[in-house]
Amino acid sequence: GESVGLHLPTLSVQEGDNSIINCAYSNSASDYFIWYKQESGKGPQFIIDIRSNMDKRQGQRVTVLLNKTVKHLSLQIAATQPGDSAVYFCAENSLGNQFYFGTGTSLTVIP
Amino acid sequence: DTGVSQDPRHKITKRGQNVTFRCDPISEHNRLYWYRQTLGQGPEFLTYFQNEAQLEKSRLLSDRFSAERPKGSFSTLEIQRTEQGDSAMYLCASSPQGNWHNEQFFGPGTRLTVL
Repeated sequence: GESVGLHLPTLSVQEGDNSIINCAYSNSASDYFIWYKQESGKGPQFIIDIRSNMDKRQGQRVTVLLNKTVKHLSLQIAATQPGDSAVYFCAENSLGNQFYFGTGTSLTVIP
Repeated sequence: DTGVSQDPRHKITKRGQNVTFRCDPISEHNRLYWYRQTLGQGPEFLTYFQNEAQLEKSRLLSDRFSAERPKGSFSTLEIQRTEQGDSAMYLCASSPQGNWHNEQFFGPGTRLTVL
């Protein structure tokens, strides 16, 4: 399944399928990006990050893709599991110390 | 538990009262951030400390809000004359020293309800 971030803030996928969560960022000067997972009642949890000198970075079951041309970031989750159900946020940072978070996408994994 | 801790976890107060929240970052982390999060939204940056120095503060932050980190370890966030619009989750995060910003570790948050 795939979301388009602000336009489709919810995403439902079948267990075992791959998920793609998208994020459009606003500042062309942003040079560092983080994906966070937030479960209900908890603080955000770091998933993966990427700097602007990279296009792709892989972690365990997750891949982040960065397209600076169109200011787009995506998070791919392979073999989605019920434990992946949460709200996912992208955050961007430019030269300052402020991090700007997107609205978030709610991922529901259907067993 | 060696993660970021926040106290209290929940706070209910009446409008006009002052409240203070505490954040204990991971011990070796010199960077500390405060965020506010309302329901259905992403965290909103409030302020940033590097050691004891408050290096950045959001322009959206009312002068009723003040934060300190006196010894470069724990931090406090005070809200004076609370308003109903201050009701939110207040999150603290810390990260280690480095030339670049990097992974932030978030605490569980303090949920504030202003009646």
